[in-house]
Amino acid sequence: EAGVTQFPSHSVIEKGQTVTLRCDPISGHDNLYWYRRVMGKEIKFLLHFVKESKQDESGMPNNRFLAERTGGTYSTLKVQPAELEDSGVYFCASSQTGLGSSYEQYFGPGTRLTVT
Amino acid sequence: AQSVTQPDIHITVSEGASLELRCNYSYGATPYLFWYVQSPGQGLQLLLKYFSGDTLVQGIKGFEAEFKRSQSSFNLRKPSVHWSDAAEYFCAVGVFGNKLVFGAGTILRVKS
Repeated sequence: EAGVTQFPSHSVIEKGQTVTLRCDPISGHDNLYWYRRVMGKEIKFLLHFVKESKQDESGMPNNRFLAERTGGTYSTLKVQPAELEDSGVYFCASSQTGLGSSYEQYFGPGTRLTVT
Repeated sequence: AQSVTQPDIHITVSEGASLELRCNYSYGATPYLFWYVQSPGQGLQLLLKYFSGDTLVQGIKGFEAEFKRSQSSFNLRKPSVHWSDAAEYFCAVGVFGNKLVFGAGTILRVKS
């Protein structure tokens, strides 16, 4: 069974540019999450999809971040325009539905975003 | 507010020695607790989880963790560390809304 995949693994962009990160969850997982780790800090929750619907986007930093999940499959996270403080590692995770199971989240390798 | 504290930023142990990584959480309800490991260049891998029942849980790679409600702790242990265990370890608590709240991580170095 394939795990969570993320693309690209690294991205270096200039301030003001746009970047789109992609996440493919484990097949059959309705729950999809985005997290971010800024250097030296904790991994922090950004948002949660259940199928194609945003369940919780309370962790999104501001309206420069836009997440979508087309057809309840893969998800994209767009940052437009990027700022220096957006640099960090963006993790995607997925989980099954169900009490307990939904918390058992499987993570992708992350996308390291550097904004210069 | 929910939080997870991993008091040790770095730990160095000798290969073959025992290991204990500390984790304390703050959460008002019955917690779901997790330990993840991130090896260099890899993603987060789930080591073990506690949902309910036996407070001593076994995980992969020979790790175990003990949930102590009275101390709000979920410490990770391994009786004999291998060089391949060198990595960063994260404790996390599952909070309302299926979110995970993570600690800052502990970097484990193994010396031969």
